[in-house]
Amino acid sequence: AQTVTQSQPEMSVQEAETVTLSCTYDTSESDYYLFWYKQPPSRQMILVIRQEAYKQQNATENRFSVNFQKAAKSFSLKISDSQLGDAAMYFCAYRGSGGSNYKLTFGKGTLLTVNP
Amino acid sequence: EAGVAQSPRYKIIEKRQSVAFWCNPISGHATLYWYQQILGQGPKLLIQFQNNGVVDDSQLPKDRFSAERLKGVDSTLKIQPAKLEDSAVYLCASSRLAGSYNEQFFGPGTRLTVL
Repeated sequence: AQTVTQSQPEMSVQEAETVTLSCTYDTSESDYYLFWYKQPPSRQMILVIRQEAYKQQNATENRFSVNFQKAAKSFSLKISDSQLGDAAMYFCAYRGSGGSNYKLTFGKGTLLTVNP
Repeated sequence: EAGVAQSPRYKIIEKRQSVAFWCNPISGHATLYWYQQILGQGPKLLIQFQNNGVVDDSQLPKDRFSAERLKGVDSTLKIQPAKLEDSAVYLCASSRLAGSYNEQFFGPGTRLTVL
């Protein structure tokens, strides 16, 4: 079974600074997808960024980028120029590529605080 | 485009009582998911529907949990009887299809407290 591990329960960053959230995963599959979701307090979860395992190029979405290391099974999220609105719980998630593996497997999350 | 709707937003019940949650997915989304998110943990899939058929319910405690998706649109999740450990946020999500690249959109969740 796939597992996702987020080793940082909490992180903090100063506004306008850069922060990196860590995620490792375990799988025997060669083709899969990885995601970072953001869950603000009392608000719904939204997708921040996704990475296809077959792509070597790291995904980027504006201030958000990932460092995908397939051999190391590592998938970290970098937030540049942090803003107060980035404060939230961040979840790393894994999804397989076929059959009933379409379900998302989530890590326990990292609570990000942004200090003004 | 309207998002995923869920109701109620909050529910407090006593153990051994019954409770039901409702979810209305985004229009046209064929796939619907129910997740359980216990405090301090990431969401865990309970059940996945493709239209009105069940695709995956391997982690649904079937002795007390049930779910249906009549007509392939709205869905209800029921707990009967509830236990203390069922206290959690129940998230509903939907996607156009079940394919890996299809983004799942989440509702605001229902926070259940079992006393």
